[in-house]
Amino acid sequence: DTEVTQTPKHLVMGMTNKKSLKCEQHMGHRAMYWYKQKAKKPPELMFVYSYEKLSINESVPSRFSPECPNSSLLNLHLHALQPEDSALYLCASSQGALSSYEQYFGPGTRLTVT
Amino acid sequence: AQSVTQLGSHVSVSEGALVLLRCNYSSSVPPYLFWYVQYPNQGLQLLLKYTSAATLVKGINGFEAEFKKSETSFHLTKPSAHMSDAAEYFCAVSGQDMRFGAGTRLTVKP
Repeated sequence: DTEVTQTPKHLVMGMTNKKSLKCEQHMGHRAMYWYKQKAKKPPELMFVYSYEKLSINESVPSRFSPECPNSSLLNLHLHALQPEDSALYLCASSQGALSSYEQYFGPGTRLTVT
Repeated sequence: AQSVTQLGSHVSVSEGALVLLRCNYSSSVPPYLFWYVQYPNQGLQLLLKYTSAATLVKGINGFEAEFKKSETSFHLTKPSAHMSDAAEYFCAVSGQDMRFGAGTRLTVKP
């Protein structure tokens, strides 16, 4: 099973709302990632968790708050977002955080901030 | 820092024709290189990866890529395009993190 699941598929939220994105994998992978992808652009790395510890934070605004409750789950908590945060949010996982490992991506959550 | 450059933001081929998507890399150390495909409203799917075991790498769906150190290239090819190949293709290099090229949109004409 090489599946990464993400919920919800679509999310519309106002600028004052608090919401969370969820990502799950059952491949025994020990690294998990959040990416942001704007239309017609490549994915941009936001956060990396390795062995459930945050290892990379690409200077993401504090209105995005990641959480890794266990090795299979990754959450992204959203608060006071801006319209420019509307994008496809992709979760990925890999066997480890080493550069030789390929990443497996989920289908993404399409976020619209109104 | 490692990076990749994809030449051509849009490539259009006829069904049955050769597909060639170009990727050049920049890396001070032997790179780990990947090709991913993204269909509309979906996540990225791994097509193939290069990790120095062999210069010609075969992937899924009939795609393959050849690593050429002298040309710092990792171009993606498929002998005969199918309508279902229409998608966005990303080349990526992995170091401290994974860096993606800008992407190439492949259109397949009937």
